[in-house]
Amino acid sequence: AQKVTQAQTEISVVEKEDVTLDCVYETRDTTYYLFWYKQPPSGELVFLIRRNSFDEQNEISGRYSWNFQKSTSSFNFTITASQVVDSAVYFCALSGTTSGTYKYIFGTGTRLKVLA
Amino acid sequence: DGGITQSPKYLFRKEGQNVTLSCEQNLNHDAMYWYRQDPGQGLRLIYYSQIVNDFQKGDIAEGYSVSREKKESFPLTVTSAQKNPTAFYLCASSISPRSNQPQHFGDGTRLSIL
Repeated sequence: AQKVTQAQTEISVVEKEDVTLDCVYETRDTTYYLFWYKQPPSGELVFLIRRNSFDEQNEISGRYSWNFQKSTSSFNFTITASQVVDSAVYFCALSGTTSGTYKYIFGTGTRLKVLA
Repeated sequence: DGGITQSPKYLFRKEGQNVTLSCEQNLNHDAMYWYRQDPGQGLRLIYYSQIVNDFQKGDIAEGYSVSREKKESFPLTVTSAQKNPTAFYLCASSISPRSNQPQHFGDGTRLSIL
């Protein structure tokens, strides 16, 4: 069975602190894709990144970075020098080729509060 | 601008009433999806459609119905059979139904019972 676990329900940090959001997944697929989405208070989910199972290179985009480790089945997301605008709920998602090709499995989300 | 439009933003349902949530996209995407979001439960798939005139049940389809008569439209009806409809409903689309495609989401509809 496929599963995505985001154990951190809510995190609060002070502006300019670094913060890491954890994502642990389970799958038997050899080919799969991992995603991160941001849900600001307005409600829509915004796509942040996609990673396939064969690419374990870490990625950095501005203040955002992602660490993918197949050995620990983790795909963690770090925000450097957090800002108030980063406050949102962040979802990790998994999609596999044999799980039901046309749907994602979402984690329960981590609510990030960045305090000024 | 291209995107997904959901309406209304807020909706109230009376007992025994069916209500329909609208979802329209102008991204020319083949695949469309409906999710339900409850506090602390993430997103759960209700229905999805890979192509016009075709749709499949997701994990929690009971009490819901959909249609896909046009590529750009995928309305969701919450029927009176859905006993706990209060939730936040999100519509999404993707270029194709392949599992590696990111999904694009609308702003959501919040449904409550009167």
